This record gives sequence, C-alpha cells and structure tokens, in this order.
Amino acid sequence: QVQLLQSGPEVKKPGASVKVSCKASGSTFTSYGITWVRQAPGQGLQYMGWINTYNGNTDSTESLQGRVTMTRDTSTTTAYMELRSLKSDDTAVYYCARNCDSSSYSPPCFWGQGTQVIVSS
Amino acid sequence: AIPLTQSPSSLSASVGDRVIITCRASQGIGRALAWYQQKPGKPPKVLITDASSLESGVPSRFSGSGSGTDFTLTISSLQPEDFATYYCLQFNRHPQTFGQGTKLEVK
Repeated sequence: QVQLLQSGPEVKKPGASVKVSCKASGSTFTSYGITWVRQAPGQGLQYMGWINTYNGNTDSTESLQGRVTMTRDTSTTTAYMELRSLKSDDTAVYYCARNCDSSSYSPPCFWGQGTQVIVSS
Repeated sequence: AIPLTQSPSSLSASVGDRVIITCRASQGIGRALAWYQQKPGKPPKVLITDASSLESGVPSRFSGSGSGTDFTLTISSLQPEDFATYYCLQFNRHPQTFGQGTKLEVK
C-alpha cells in the first residue's frame, strides 16, 4: 500500500530554515508527483506547491516563491521541502501527499502523517 | 490563482440528516475539483475527484456534482463518523487552491 513517512517535529528561530523529508513507498516513485500542503493552527489547508518526481520540475504558490524549494532523491524515493527565512506565521503542520495519478494536473491522494514546524524566538 | 469559496463555513446537523456543501470557483475549472474530509489531528482524506468520482472505500452516502464554477458535496444520511471539516480543491490550474473549509458539527 502507498505510504508516505515524514520527518519529525522541528522548532526553529525566526530567520532560520527548515527542511522536511517525505519518504514514499508502495508505488513507483517517479510516476506520481508529490504535493506539499500546510495548515496553520486552527486554520484551513494551504497549497504550497508540487514536484514532478520524474524530472524534478516544480511549481509553488506565488506567496512562497523565493522562500520554498522542493527537491527529490529518486535513489531513496524521498521528497524534500525546504522553507527559508522563517517567520512566526510559518508555524504549521506541513504535509506531503502523493498525487492520485501521473498527470501534471492531479489532486493529492495519499498523505503523510504531517510534520509540526514551530517558529519561535 | 483561482479562489474557491465554500459555503457554509460551518454547519450544525444531526445523524440521519442530508447535508449539502457548496464550492464556487472564481472562473471555470471544468470538472477538476476534489473533496476532502479532515478530522482533528489527522491528514485530509480524499473523498471525491473529478467533481463526482467517488474514491475507493468511500461510502456511497457521499456524492459530488457540478462543473464549471459551481460544485456540491452531498452526504445523503449523516453518520456519527462524518462530523469533520470538509475542503474542496481545484486542480485545473497551478497553483492548486483549497476552499476555506466547512466545519460540520453535531446539532
């Protein structure tokens, strides 16, 4: 079965960077994109962006462009999301999810357990 | 980005009720809409993709309809496990966008 296992919780100071990992198993890694979504405390879901795991191409939401980098390591079937210049309102649970199909326009289907990131001085 | 507007933002209902949640896109998105259910402390779970395709394992009391700009999620007879927050997502164009959510609570 498809599983996504994310790295553990992080506490960071404002201005620092965080890198969250997402190890995928149960399907061919390079056949499905990985989407990143975050959820601030008590708030709704915010789409962050996605990575084409086949060719490494990425697209992210405009509000995060310049601060977010999504990468993947096909040898370890792991996707990564790095967020730089952290601010307090980046405090959130960060989710990775495998897309439902191999299309470039596919919603996320299979979700990781989430990674809590706290930004605090 | 294509904003999505869900309504209502919260809803009180009873077991056995029929519930309808709507999602409106600011521009046409064809049928590229998905619905998710999220319970506290858990990741979202996909219920429906392509506006009306029920995902494997999702009870048949859930159904979706719509195309273009207006979509609905219907729960035909609420069960205790259905009290949760529901989100729509458009995947017609990048960046994908979520609705703000509808919290379904016990009346």
